[in-house]
Amino acid sequence: EAGVTQFPSHSVIEKGQTVTLRCDPISGHDNLYWYRRVMGKEIKFLLHFVKESKQDESGMPNNRFLAERTGGTYSTLKVQPAELEDSGVYFCASSHSGGFNEQFFGPGTRLTVL
Amino acid sequence: DQQVKQNSPSLSVQEGRISILNCDYTNSMFDYFLWYKKYPAEGPTFLISISSIKDKNEDGRFTVFLNKSAKHLSLHIVPSQPGDSAVYFCAAPDPNTGFQKLVFGTGTRLLVSP
Repeated sequence: EAGVTQFPSHSVIEKGQTVTLRCDPISGHDNLYWYRRVMGKEIKFLLHFVKESKQDESGMPNNRFLAERTGGTYSTLKVQPAELEDSGVYFCASSHSGGFNEQFFGPGTRLTVL
Repeated sequence: DQQVKQNSPSLSVQEGRISILNCDYTNSMFDYFLWYKKYPAEGPTFLISISSIKDKNEDGRFTVFLNKSAKHLSLHIVPSQPGDSAVYFCAAPDPNTGFQKLVFGTGTRLLVSP
């Protein structure tokens, strides 16, 4: 079974620009999560989709971040406009539905805002 | 306010010896804990877990111990191998989110030297 994939692997942008990250979950996984790790700190939850619905977006830092999961398949996370403090590694994870199930993580997108 | 804490940013051990990674938590509602392992440029992968009804769980060279009264858990790796060199994250599913949101520690970088 193919794992979670993320694109791009790296992105370097200037402050004020827009960046869109993409995540393709494992086929059949209804749950999709976004997390972020700022250098040296903990991996922090951003939001959780169940199919195409946002179940929990309590971790989204502010309204410059917009996540979508149209059709309940892949998801995008857009940052507009990007600020310096948005730099970090953005991880996507997916899991089966129903209670607690193992979350499988993608390799992450390293975002650098200059 | 960090609910899961890993106070050792790094640990170095020699091949064949025991590695002990520690984790403390503050939320008494947590009742399930996981350890994830992360290699550079890869996403975290699940390693081992423990339920709060147990005080020990063993899987091959890996054993996790849980001390509920102290709100402390530890991961033991015996014997340590160079391939174990990675960042290890302690995590707990947040019961307030139906166990969907993982709360992570800051990670401990383990280096096993030959």
